[in-house]
Amino acid sequence: QVQLVESGGGVVQPGRSLRLSCAASGFTFGSYGMHWVRQAPDKGLEWVAVISYDAINKYYVDSMKGRFTISRDNSKNTLYLQMNSLRPDDTAVYYCARELEGFDNWGQGTLVTVSS
Amino acid sequence: QSALTQPASVSGSPGQSITISCTGTSSDVGGYKYVSWYQQYPGKAPKVMIYDVSFRPSGVSNRFSGSKSGNTASLTISGLQAEDEAEYYCASYTSSSTRVFGSGTKVTVL
Repeated sequence: QVQLVESGGGVVQPGRSLRLSCAASGFTFGSYGMHWVRQAPDKGLEWVAVISYDAINKYYVDSMKGRFTISRDNSKNTLYLQMNSLRPDDTAVYYCARELEGFDNWGQGTLVTVSS
Repeated sequence: QSALTQPASVSGSPGQSITISCTGTSSDVGGYKYVSWYQQYPGKAPKVMIYDVSFRPSGVSNRFSGSKSGNTASLTISGLQAEDEAEYYCASYTSSSTRVFGSGTKVTVL
C-alpha cells in the first residue's frame, strides 16, 4: 500500500533552516509529481510547492519562493523541502502528498515550530 | 495566489443534502477541470473526496458529488450522516502551474 512518512520537523529559531523529508513506499515514486502542503495551527490548508516526477519542473507559492526549495531523490524514494530564513508564521504541520487523482495520498505530517 | 472562497460553515440535519461552494477566478477554478475536494477530521491528514471536478475515488461514498459552473465549483453531500461532520477544502490547479486551496468549510450535522 502507498505510504508517505514525513520527518525532520521540530522546534527551530527564527532565521534558521530546516530540511524536511518524505519517505515514499508502495508505489513507483519516480513516476509521480509530489507536493508539500502545510497547515498552521487551527488554520486551513496552504499549498507550498510541487515537483515533477523527473525533478525538472518546480513551482512554489509566491510567499515562499526564494526561501523554500523542493527537491527529490528518486533513487531513494524521498522528497525534500529545504526551508531557509524561517519565520514564526512558518509554524505549521507540513504534509507531503502524491498527485494522481487529486492529492490522493498524504503523509501523517511533521510539525515545524519556529520560535525563539 | 489568494485562497479560493468557501463559506466558513454549512450545517444540515441527518438525511438532508448540503452544498459547499468554492469560488475562484478564470485563472484557476474557471479555467481548468482540475478541481478537487478534501475532507479533514481534526488532527488527521486530508482525504480526497472528489477529483477533476466530479470524479469520485474508489471507496468514497456516492453521497458525495462535485460540479462546476464558471468560476465556482460545488461539493454536494446527500443523505447527510453524522460521520460527515468535518472540515472540507477545495483545491484547484492554476494558470501558473501552482495549486491553491480554498479557505475551508466546517460542516456541522445538527
